[in-house]
Amino acid sequence: KNEVEQSPQNLTAQEGEFITINCSYSVGISALHWLQQHPGGGIVSLFMLSSGKKKHGRLIATINIQEKHSSLHITASHPRDSAVYICAVRGSQGNLIFGKGTKLSVKP
Amino acid sequence: EAQVTQNPRYLITVTGKKLTVTCSQNMNHEYMSWYRQDPGLGLRQIYYSMNVEVTDKGDVPEGYKVSRKEKRNFPLILESPSPNQTSLYFCASSRWGDSPLHFGNGTRLTVT
Repeated sequence: KNEVEQSPQNLTAQEGEFITINCSYSVGISALHWLQQHPGGGIVSLFMLSSGKKKHGRLIATINIQEKHSSLHITASHPRDSAVYICAVRGSQGNLIFGKGTKLSVKP
Repeated sequence: EAQVTQNPRYLITVTGKKLTVTCSQNMNHEYMSWYRQDPGLGLRQIYYSMNVEVTDKGDVPEGYKVSRKEKRNFPLILESPSPNQTSLYFCASSRWGDSPLHFGNGTRLTVT
Protein backbone atom coordinates (compact mmCIF):
# COMPACT_ATOMS: atom_id res chain seq x y z
CA LYS A 1 0.00 0.00 0.00
CA ASN A 2 1.34 3.41 -0.99
CA GLU A 3 1.98 5.79 1.89
CA VAL A 4 0.32 8.63 -0.05
CA GLU A 5 -2.83 7.92 -2.05
CA GLN A 6 -4.51 10.39 -4.36
CA SER A 7 -7.94 10.19 -5.91
CA PRO A 8 -9.11 10.33 -8.53
CA GLN A 9 -6.23 9.40 -10.85
CA ASN A 10 -7.91 11.14 -13.78
CA LEU A 11 -10.59 13.81 -13.79
CA THR A 12 -12.39 15.49 -16.65
CA ALA A 13 -14.55 18.52 -15.93
CA GLN A 14 -16.47 21.16 -17.81
CA GLU A 15 -15.36 24.75 -17.53
CA GLY A 16 -16.94 26.38 -14.47
CA GLU A 17 -17.32 23.20 -12.43
CA PHE A 18 -16.16 22.87 -8.82
CA ILE A 19 -13.34 20.33 -8.55
CA THR A 20 -12.07 18.33 -5.59
CA ILE A 21 -8.89 16.24 -5.49
CA ASN A 22 -8.20 14.10 -2.44
CA CYS A 23 -5.01 12.98 -0.73
CA SER A 24 -4.78 10.42 2.09
CA TYR A 25 -1.58 9.44 3.84
CA SER A 26 -0.60 6.76 6.32
CA VAL A 27 2.54 8.22 7.91
CA GLY A 28 3.08 10.90 10.54
CA ILE A 29 3.86 14.18 8.82
CA SER A 30 5.10 17.66 9.59
CA ALA A 31 3.76 19.25 6.42
CA LEU A 32 1.82 18.52 3.25
CA HIS A 33 2.45 20.09 -0.16
CA TRP A 34 0.17 20.49 -3.16
CA LEU A 35 2.05 20.83 -6.45
CA GLN A 36 0.93 21.53 -10.01
CA GLN A 37 2.72 20.10 -13.05
CA HIS A 38 1.80 21.55 -16.42
CA PRO A 39 1.96 19.61 -19.70
CA GLY A 40 5.35 21.19 -20.42
CA GLY A 41 6.69 19.44 -17.31
CA GLY A 42 7.44 22.35 -14.98
CA ILE A 43 6.37 21.96 -11.33
CA VAL A 44 4.94 24.77 -9.24
CA SER A 45 4.19 24.74 -5.53
CA LEU A 46 0.56 25.66 -4.83
CA PHE A 47 0.28 25.20 -1.07
CA MET A 48 2.18 24.00 1.96
CA LEU A 49 -0.06 23.04 4.89
CA SER A 50 0.48 21.81 8.39
CA SER A 51 -3.07 22.48 9.65
CA GLY A 52 -6.38 24.06 8.71
CA LYS A 53 -7.09 25.69 5.40
CA LYS A 54 -5.39 27.97 2.87
CA LYS A 55 -6.85 29.90 -0.06
CA HIS A 56 -5.17 31.43 -3.08
CA GLY A 57 -7.44 32.84 -5.74
CA ARG A 58 -9.74 30.05 -6.93
CA LEU A 59 -7.74 27.36 -5.15
CA ILE A 60 -8.45 26.13 -1.63
CA ALA A 61 -6.51 23.49 0.28
CA THR A 62 -7.58 21.86 3.52
CA ILE A 63 -5.98 19.33 5.80
CA ASN A 64 -7.36 17.17 8.62
CA ILE A 65 -4.40 15.90 10.64
CA GLN A 66 -6.48 13.48 12.74
CA GLU A 67 -7.98 11.82 9.67
CA LYS A 68 -4.70 12.05 7.69
CA HIS A 69 -6.49 13.59 4.75
CA SER A 70 -6.15 16.68 2.58
CA SER A 71 -8.26 18.09 -0.23
CA LEU A 72 -7.51 20.53 -3.02
CA HIS A 73 -10.53 22.42 -4.37
CA ILE A 74 -10.72 24.47 -7.55
CA THR A 75 -13.70 26.79 -7.87
CA ALA A 76 -14.98 27.98 -11.28
CA SER A 77 -12.55 25.71 -13.13
CA HIS A 78 -10.97 26.91 -16.39
CA PRO A 79 -9.15 25.10 -19.20
CA ARG A 80 -5.89 26.67 -18.01
CA ASP A 81 -6.28 24.63 -14.78
CA SER A 82 -5.62 21.48 -16.83
CA ALA A 83 -2.52 19.92 -15.29
CA VAL A 84 -1.35 17.13 -13.02
CA TYR A 85 -1.86 17.89 -9.33
CA ILE A 86 0.49 16.16 -6.92
CA CYS A 87 0.25 15.73 -3.16
CA ALA A 88 3.48 15.28 -1.16
CA VAL A 89 4.05 14.76 2.56
CA ARG A 90 7.12 15.26 4.67
CA GLY A 91 7.73 12.15 6.75
CA SER A 92 9.17 11.99 10.25
CA GLN A 93 12.69 11.44 8.87
CA GLY A 94 12.58 14.58 6.75
CA ASN A 95 12.10 12.88 3.40
CA LEU A 96 9.32 13.79 0.97
CA ILE A 97 6.83 11.13 -0.16
CA PHE A 98 4.69 11.81 -3.22
CA GLY A 99 1.32 10.67 -4.43
CA LYS A 100 1.13 9.52 -8.04
CA GLY A 101 -0.80 12.60 -9.11
CA THR A 102 -4.24 13.47 -10.44
CA LYS A 103 -4.49 14.39 -14.10
CA LEU A 104 -7.12 17.10 -14.54
CA SER A 105 -8.57 18.10 -17.88
CA VAL A 106 -11.01 21.01 -18.02
CA LYS A 107 -13.02 21.24 -21.24
CA PRO A 108 -14.30 24.58 -22.55
CA GLU B 1 14.71 36.88 -10.42
CA ALA B 2 14.40 34.17 -7.76
CA GLN B 3 14.99 30.83 -9.39
CA VAL B 4 16.38 27.32 -9.30
CA THR B 5 18.58 26.63 -12.31
CA GLN B 6 19.26 23.11 -13.53
CA ASN B 7 21.63 22.17 -16.31
CA PRO B 8 21.53 20.60 -18.76
CA ARG B 9 17.85 20.37 -19.79
CA TYR B 10 18.49 17.32 -21.95
CA LEU B 11 21.29 14.79 -21.75
CA ILE B 12 21.94 11.60 -23.68
CA THR B 13 24.84 9.48 -22.53
CA VAL B 14 26.14 5.93 -22.56
CA THR B 15 26.33 3.36 -19.79
CA GLY B 16 29.22 3.93 -17.41
CA LYS B 17 30.19 7.45 -18.46
CA LYS B 18 30.23 9.65 -15.37
CA LEU B 19 28.00 12.71 -15.48
CA THR B 20 26.95 15.62 -13.29
CA VAL B 21 23.68 17.51 -13.33
CA THR B 22 24.05 20.93 -11.75
CA CYS B 23 21.52 22.73 -9.57
CA SER B 24 21.88 26.28 -8.30
CA GLN B 25 19.50 28.56 -6.37
CA ASN B 26 19.77 32.29 -5.74
CA MET B 27 17.34 32.56 -2.82
CA ASN B 28 19.74 31.67 0.02
CA HIS B 29 17.64 28.60 0.78
CA GLU B 30 18.79 26.11 3.42
CA TYR B 31 17.02 23.06 1.97
CA MET B 32 17.79 21.52 -1.43
CA SER B 33 16.74 18.20 -2.89
CA TRP B 34 16.77 15.97 -5.97
CA TYR B 35 13.89 13.91 -7.41
CA ARG B 36 13.33 11.59 -10.31
CA GLN B 37 10.01 11.20 -12.11
CA ASP B 38 9.07 8.03 -13.96
CA PRO B 39 5.79 7.06 -15.67
CA GLY B 40 3.58 5.10 -13.31
CA LEU B 41 5.86 5.72 -10.34
CA GLY B 42 5.53 9.47 -9.96
CA LEU B 43 8.10 11.61 -8.21
CA ARG B 44 10.58 10.00 -5.84
CA GLN B 45 13.18 11.71 -3.69
CA ILE B 46 16.81 10.79 -4.34
CA TYR B 47 18.76 12.92 -1.85
CA TYR B 48 18.17 16.03 0.19
CA SER B 49 20.27 18.53 2.13
CA MET B 50 19.17 20.59 5.11
CA ASN B 51 22.31 22.76 5.06
CA VAL B 52 25.89 23.02 3.85
CA GLU B 53 27.82 19.74 4.32
CA VAL B 54 24.62 17.96 5.45
CA THR B 55 23.05 15.43 3.08
CA ASP B 56 20.55 12.59 3.60
CA LYS B 57 19.24 9.75 1.48
CA GLY B 58 15.74 9.84 0.11
CA ASP B 59 13.78 6.85 -1.17
CA VAL B 60 15.96 5.98 -4.17
CA PRO B 61 19.59 6.99 -3.52
CA GLU B 62 21.30 3.96 -5.10
CA GLY B 63 23.59 4.90 -7.98
CA TYR B 64 23.65 8.61 -7.14
CA LYS B 65 25.93 10.94 -5.20
CA VAL B 66 25.45 14.53 -4.09
CA SER B 67 27.50 17.19 -2.41
CA ARG B 68 26.65 20.47 -0.68
CA LYS B 69 29.90 22.38 -0.37
CA GLU B 70 28.20 25.77 -0.60
CA LYS B 71 24.64 26.87 0.08
CA ARG B 72 23.64 27.75 -3.48
CA ASN B 73 24.77 24.60 -5.30
CA PHE B 74 23.66 20.98 -5.02
CA PRO B 75 25.00 18.86 -7.92
CA LEU B 76 23.75 15.34 -8.66
CA ILE B 77 26.49 12.94 -9.70
CA LEU B 78 26.04 9.64 -11.51
CA GLU B 79 29.40 7.89 -11.26
CA SER B 80 28.47 5.01 -13.56
CA PRO B 81 25.08 5.63 -15.17
CA SER B 82 22.91 2.69 -16.18
CA PRO B 83 19.83 2.53 -18.45
CA ASN B 84 17.52 2.25 -15.41
CA GLN B 85 18.56 5.79 -14.49
CA THR B 86 16.90 7.10 -17.64
CA SER B 87 14.37 9.51 -16.16
CA LEU B 88 13.23 13.11 -15.71
CA TYR B 89 15.12 14.74 -12.85
CA PHE B 90 14.10 17.76 -10.80
CA CYS B 91 16.00 19.83 -8.30
CA ALA B 92 14.12 21.89 -5.71
CA SER B 93 14.91 24.26 -2.87
CA SER B 94 13.08 25.84 0.05
CA ARG B 95 13.91 28.21 2.86
CA TRP B 96 13.87 25.32 5.29
CA GLY B 97 12.45 21.78 5.41
CA ASP B 98 8.81 22.81 5.86
CA SER B 99 8.59 25.78 3.49
CA PRO B 100 7.15 25.97 -0.03
CA LEU B 101 9.31 24.28 -2.65
CA HIS B 102 10.82 25.98 -5.70
CA PHE B 103 11.55 23.60 -8.56
CA GLY B 104 14.04 23.75 -11.38
CA ASN B 105 12.85 23.15 -14.98
CA GLY B 106 13.95 19.55 -15.02
CA THR B 107 16.64 17.50 -16.78
CA ARG B 108 15.64 14.71 -19.12
CA LEU B 109 18.37 12.07 -18.98
CA THR B 110 18.66 9.14 -21.36
CA VAL B 111 21.27 6.45 -20.70
CA THR B 112 21.83 4.01 -23.58
